[in-house]
Amino acid sequence: GDSVTQMEGPVTLSEEAFLTINCTYTATGYPSLFWYVQYPGEGLQLLLKATKADDKGSNKGFEATYRKETTSFHLEKGSVQVSDSAVYFCALIGGGGGFKTIFGAGTRLFVKA
Amino acid sequence: GAVVSQHPSWVICKSGTSVKIECRSLDFQATTMFWYRQFPKQSLMLMATSNEGSKATYEQGVEKDKFLINHASLTLSTLTVTSAHPEDSSFYICSAPVGQGNQPQHFGDGTRLSIL
Repeated sequence: GDSVTQMEGPVTLSEEAFLTINCTYTATGYPSLFWYVQYPGEGLQLLLKATKADDKGSNKGFEATYRKETTSFHLEKGSVQVSDSAVYFCALIGGGGGFKTIFGAGTRLFVKA
Repeated sequence: GAVVSQHPSWVICKSGTSVKIECRSLDFQATTMFWYRQFPKQSLMLMATSNEGSKATYEQGVEKDKFLINHASLTLSTLTVTSAHPEDSSFYICSAPVGQGNQPQHFGDGTRLSIL
């Protein structure tokens, strides 16, 4: 079945450092890909999305490009802030699982001042 | 934008109590809603798909009689944890897709359930 694999955390960075969180997927068909962010004690918020190959999703300085050839959707940010500390989930919809969202395990990010 | 409201945000109750959690779509209609369970420092586990006007679809291993789901209107789904026990303590999150096709989910803020 469909699956999403994320790099294990936690990831600890200093403020203004460059962030990469790797995400690869396995899916049949043509899924849409998403990054969600979860702050402590809260639900998930959509961070960005891409619906087809080579699409780049971006929001709040975060970017991710849908790479069909490598089945990847890595999250990047050029300069992280303390307020970016959260758990980030890579997810897909619309592969073999229909309209269910398939989540990765999540990657916890700590940003130090 | 689309908002999903989940209530209550925190529940503490005694073992054996039944607890109802509500999930509302505030400015859109949701024929489908999803219920997830999240253990500490883990990902979301899909429990069931709630379908307006019909029975919920449960994922394998989820007890239907334990986790009752009702989706009586296009804006409200409820999850009732029946005869809750300490092992049911968890963070429960609902979500609803906005629009058709491969649309992202909009999530409630979650309900932290603690059974004493």
